[in-house]
Amino acid sequence: KAGVTQTPRYLIKTRGQQVTLSCSPISGHRSVSWYQQTPGQGLQFLFEYFSETQRNKGNFPGRFSGRQFSNSRSEMNVSTLELGDSALYLCASSDGTSGHNEQFFGPGTRLTVL
Amino acid sequence: DQQVKQNSPSLSVQEGRISILNCDYTNSMFDYFLWYKKYPAEGPTFLISISSIKDKNEDGRFTVFLNKSAKHLSLHIVPSQPGDSAVYFCAASETGNQFYFGTGTSLTVIP
Repeated sequence: KAGVTQTPRYLIKTRGQQVTLSCSPISGHRSVSWYQQTPGQGLQFLFEYFSETQRNKGNFPGRFSGRQFSNSRSEMNVSTLELGDSALYLCASSDGTSGHNEQFFGPGTRLTVL
Repeated sequence: DQQVKQNSPSLSVQEGRISILNCDYTNSMFDYFLWYKKYPAEGPTFLISISSIKDKNEDGRFTVFLNKSAKHLSLHIVPSQPGDSAVYFCAASETGNQFYFGTGTSLTVIP
């Protein structure tokens, strides 16, 4: 099976702009989770989508939003970018149907906000 | 509010010796714990997991120990190899809910 893919791999934006990141899960996986990784903060959970519905949400401002399509592909959008949004954004897919599912991560999108 | 903590940002171990990575958590409702390994420019890869009904799980050179009363888990790597050099994240979840990750421990195995 192909792994989790994320596009683009690198992105440079300026403050105030918005950005959309894309994630294609492993075939058959219905759950997609998004994380922000910054130095010293580990992986901070943004949200999880399952069957096109947001199932869990972390403590991020409303500037961070997401959606999931019928083919399970997911997008994450960040509006009005701030310097502090510079980070590695990771998505992870899993089967999502039982209580505990191993998450498979993509390589991440490195976002730099200038 | 960091519910999962890895208090050692880095660890250096000689090749062939044991590596012990530690993780503490605060939420007593967590019932599933995982360890992930991350190389630079790659996403984390799953290493090993343990359910709260167990106190030990072993997979080859990797063993995870869970001490529920202390809210502590550890990952033992024996023997350590240079290829094990990476950042290790522990994660925890309560059934059906999100995963909480620690801040990571960078392991360096010295040949």
